[in-house]
Amino acid sequence: EIVLTQSPGTLSLSPGERATLSCRASQSVSSSYLGWYQQKPGQAPRLLIYGASSRATGIPDRFSGSGSGTDFTLTISSLEPEDFAVYYCQQYGSSPPTFGQGTKLETK
Amino acid sequence: EVQLVESGGGLVQPGGSLRLSCAASGFTFSTYAMSWVRQAPGKGLEWVSPISGSGTSTYYADSVKGRFTISRDNSKNTLYLQMNSLRVEDTAVYYCAKVSSSSWRGYFDYWGQGTLVTVSS
Repeated sequence: EIVLTQSPGTLSLSPGERATLSCRASQSVSSSYLGWYQQKPGQAPRLLIYGASSRATGIPDRFSGSGSGTDFTLTISSLEPEDFAVYYCQQYGSSPPTFGQGTKLETK
Repeated sequence: EVQLVESGGGLVQPGGSLRLSCAASGFTFSTYAMSWVRQAPGKGLEWVSPISGSGTSTYYADSVKGRFTISRDNSKNTLYLQMNSLRVEDTAVYYCAKVSSSSWRGYFDYWGQGTLVTVSS
């Protein structure tokens, strides 16, 4: 099973700042089968990024994903108030699919 | 518009059973794999079980293997999760999620609102 480790656990930033979230895999993620999800309190997760770098439908271009192999990054170029949430990475290239433990993005 | 609506959650005693349902609309249901993902209170996301678009292939997390059964009725556009021998640690919000492909190897592009399962005496 591929273990995904996200860092930091909590990130405190202000609106307008740039956020960089990391996801490291215990083994190489095949074909960059990595996704990122956003979850707000009381809501279901929402897909942001798939294939490591492709934005899902309707996702603003301030969200971008990068990386390959074992190291992946989600970047939010300029934080909006609605971006403060928990973010999860997920690999779907190897069975079983696994999620990272999440990064909480909070207002500073 | 894709919609996934779960139902069937509730309070059950340890050792009991529940059947969750997920009604899907807005896409060709039989073309895509579907999955159940759960989230214990205050915890992260845990993949539980996917099923292929045809229903012929299923997989289970080790934590539920032998106790949970996933199935689908493509004529009714509905996904199911039969949960037996429930344990306290199965307490979670259970989400139904559409997979981006016909097999388990895909990302979750749409999610339902979730249904809460509480296992307690």
